[in-house]
Amino acid sequence: EVQLVESGGGLVQPGGSLRLSCAASGFTFSSYWMSWVRQAPGKGLEWVANIKQDGSEKYYVDSVKGRFTISRDNAKNSLYLQMNSLRAEDTAVYYCARGLGGIAVVVIDYWGQGTLVTVSS
Amino acid sequence: QSALTQPASVSGSPGQSITISCTGTSSDVGGYNYVSWYQQHPGKAPKLMIYEVSNRPSGVSNRFSGSKSGNTASLTISGLQAEDEADYYCSSYTSSSTLPLYVFGTGTKVTVL
Repeated sequence: EVQLVESGGGLVQPGGSLRLSCAASGFTFSSYWMSWVRQAPGKGLEWVANIKQDGSEKYYVDSVKGRFTISRDNAKNSLYLQMNSLRAEDTAVYYCARGLGGIAVVVIDYWGQGTLVTVSS
Repeated sequence: QSALTQPASVSGSPGQSITISCTGTSSDVGGYNYVSWYQQHPGKAPKLMIYEVSNRPSGVSNRFSGSKSGNTASLTISGLQAEDEADYYCSSYTSSSTLPLYVFGTGTKVTVL
């Protein structure tokens, strides 16, 4: 059974940093693209970032470029999202998700339960 | 950057069929057969219901079906049941230089009357 478990969310002040983690199990982690998707309170889904199987390619939504960094450790079956210079508009539930595709993610098939990040003073 | 356009809400009575539309452009929905649909109950993670326009993952009821015509994709739920009441999102891979690589729809709240 595919399982994705996020951790690391919490309350942080504007301008602060936070690192999210995602522990994956039930599949061969190193064979899949991985993604972060977020959902602001009461709002829709927004794709945030993708990372290729070997970490060689990373893609970001414009609003987080230069502030967020996606990374992975295939030996630990773990995905990460380092978030710096956080803004109020980054407040959301962040989902770790598995992506399917060859040269790009074309479908996200499994999602974790999410971790809430609140940016507020 | 704009998301794919969905109606804000759709409703139907138990047993009826409803259809949710998802309108994009030739750079996303119209250009690729990579449209997916997700169901999200309140406080829960999204669940993949349809992928590659019309394919159902294992375990998803055959009451859910997908299609596409031009730049608009559709999700049809037949034999509507109380448990189908949820938010539904479409998504698509996109090659647009002005959009993220993966774009979601605005979301549709389905109400079972």
